Order: sequence, then structure tokens, then C-alpha cells
Amino acid sequence: DSGVTQTPKHLITATGQRVTLRCSPRSGDLSVYWYQQSLDQGLQFLIQYYNGEERAKGNILERFSAQQFPDLHSELNLSSLELGDSALYFCASSPTGGTPDTQYFGPGTRLTVL
Amino acid sequence: AQSVTQLDSQVPVFEEAPVELRCNYSSSVSVYLFWYVQYPNQGLQLLLKYLSGSTLVESINGFEAEFNKSQTSFHLRKPSVHISDTAEYFCAVSGEKLVFGKGTKLTVNP
Repeated sequence: DSGVTQTPKHLITATGQRVTLRCSPRSGDLSVYWYQQSLDQGLQFLIQYYNGEERAKGNILERFSAQQFPDLHSELNLSSLELGDSALYFCASSPTGGTPDTQYFGPGTRLTVL
Repeated sequence: AQSVTQLDSQVPVFEEAPVELRCNYSSSVSVYLFWYVQYPNQGLQLLLKYLSGSTLVESINGFEAEFNKSQTSFHLRKPSVHISDTAEYFCAVSGEKLVFGKGTKLTVNP
């Protein structure tokens, strides 16, 4: 158990819909990362937050957005969903957000868009 | 820009055989190197990492990896694998951000 929690574990929805994925980082970790894992693209970095502020952006679509709240939990919002958005979405956390940090991954949310 | 190449997408081996999972990276800045493991239906977890110092790093479950700067490699090895090592292994390089390779599925057969 990494100490990172993600809800829900599974999500099934229809094209065009909007969903919110939630992540609680390990106690004491200030940085949160979001990743998308799919068979064709592999593990893709989406976005990083540090203590409530956006720190780095990866291959995140404009239809996707995220935020980190004062209690440090984070939410990833996915809107106008397409079939190709079906994937595993992982959240990770780290103590400082620096590049040598170990990232601790949650169990993931499996999103299925029908 | 950084990139990671894992040369083998799948590696099948028999139990108690040695295994090497290959990883090459490119980066224009100093790097930190990681191996993460993903067991079926789980998230990724850190296996080992190289930050500085000795180029040979070891994990608690018998894996080791050697940082080779001249060959820009960070191959993962284990002298004798177990069924429980069956998983997907991801090499990652951290410079400006953490970049993962596409993963190598290790299957250990009895």
C-alpha cells in the first residue's frame, strides 16, 4: 500500500459526458502528479501540482483539467469524453516535487467510455 | 528533451533463470534513473533508483541495475527469477520531468 488513494476504482460512462477523478496523496507529500496509461500510448504524464499550484504540464488535452485543493487532495476533470479516453488514470505523490523524488503511485482509476 | 527506450516489450523466462531487461535513455541534462514495477491490477511501485554515487544499485528483492553513462543505459538484472516476479517493468528518467519507457512485460514460467 503506497498511501495514495484514488476514487473511484472503476468508472463507466458514455461519450460526451464529464467525470471527476479524485486523489489523496500520502501524508506529508506536497506534490501530486496525474498519468494516463493506455495500451497504445503507454504511461503518459499529464500534469503536476505542488502545494496547490500547477508546476508542470505534459500531454494533457484541453478537455482535461486538474486542481489541487488546500488539503492537498487533487481532482482530474475529464470532459466531452471520447472513446479514446478509455484508459487507466494514475495519481502519484511525492514529498517535494523535485526531480530526484520517488513518486508513489495510487491503485488507479479505470475509465471506460462507451 | 528526455526519452527512454525499453528494447523488449515482452520477456518470457523460466523460473530460476537469469534475466536482463534493457533500458536506454537520452537526455541533455543530468539525469536520475528509476525502475518501477507494476504487478497485475496494481499501481506502479519503485523498484530501485540511481541518483548519484555507486553506479550499481540494488533492490531488496534481488534485482540490480547498473548506470552506464557512456552507453546511456540502465539495464535491470536478476540472477534467478521467481514466479512472483511476473509483472511489467518500467524504466524512467528524470531530468526536467519523469519520463517513462513503454514497459517490458516479464513472464516467469514454471
